[in-house]
Amino acid sequence: DTAVSQTPKYLVTQMGNDKSIKCEQNLGHDTMYWYKQDSKKFLKIMFSYNNKELIINETVPNRFSPKSPDKAHLNLHINSLELGDSAVYFCASSQDKRQGNFYEQYFGPGTRLTVT
Amino acid sequence: AQTVTQSQPEMSVQEAETVTLSCTYDTSESDYYLFWYKQPPSRQMILVIRQEAYKQQNATENRFSVNFQKAAKSFSLKISDSQLGDAAMYFCAYRPETSYDKVIFGPGTSLSVIP
Repeated sequence: DTAVSQTPKYLVTQMGNDKSIKCEQNLGHDTMYWYKQDSKKFLKIMFSYNNKELIINETVPNRFSPKSPDKAHLNLHINSLELGDSAVYFCASSQDKRQGNFYEQYFGPGTRLTVT
Repeated sequence: AQTVTQSQPEMSVQEAETVTLSCTYDTSESDYYLFWYKQPPSRQMILVIRQEAYKQQNATENRFSVNFQKAAKSFSLKISDSQLGDAAMYFCAYRPETSYDKVIFGPGTSLSVIP
């Protein structure tokens, strides 16, 4: 069983379009994240949700809007896509620190977004 | 602000040899967690090893071990008996105890394994 899944794995779209990436985790974790990995492999956190509540909102254009319908899902919607949005987007989840001592992050397979 | 530095953008090792990847971090916290993640060409992020700052004993997972020097804020990863499958990007990561949702990743080290 896949612990953290993302769909789609590849997304090619044109500038100006709106697209969504979906993420689901079956680990029972309370916290979920979105990361952006640029062409130089640098990983930067975008958002973090804990029990459906937004915890972290880094300096991200407001064209990016996360939505968490329940604690097992965290979707990312991107409006008016730009060339610079091309990257790999990773979803991750982790335990709340109250659930245990180890709360490393479990990552999804990533979504490679290409904006043309 | 907390930062994580990996000073070696690229490294290579001969198959069956040992290699050490460096990581330093900057924090004013006393309790925190450190991780090494591996990202092979498949791009899946895989946890390799973790260390709690309050533990003096260095973590070990099979061929992977760390050298954790809390005073020096250093957290290096040693890979013994390197295998071709170890070729990947390796990321060092820091997570403070007080802010469980903020994980900071280093820029990564690309490891090549030479057969």
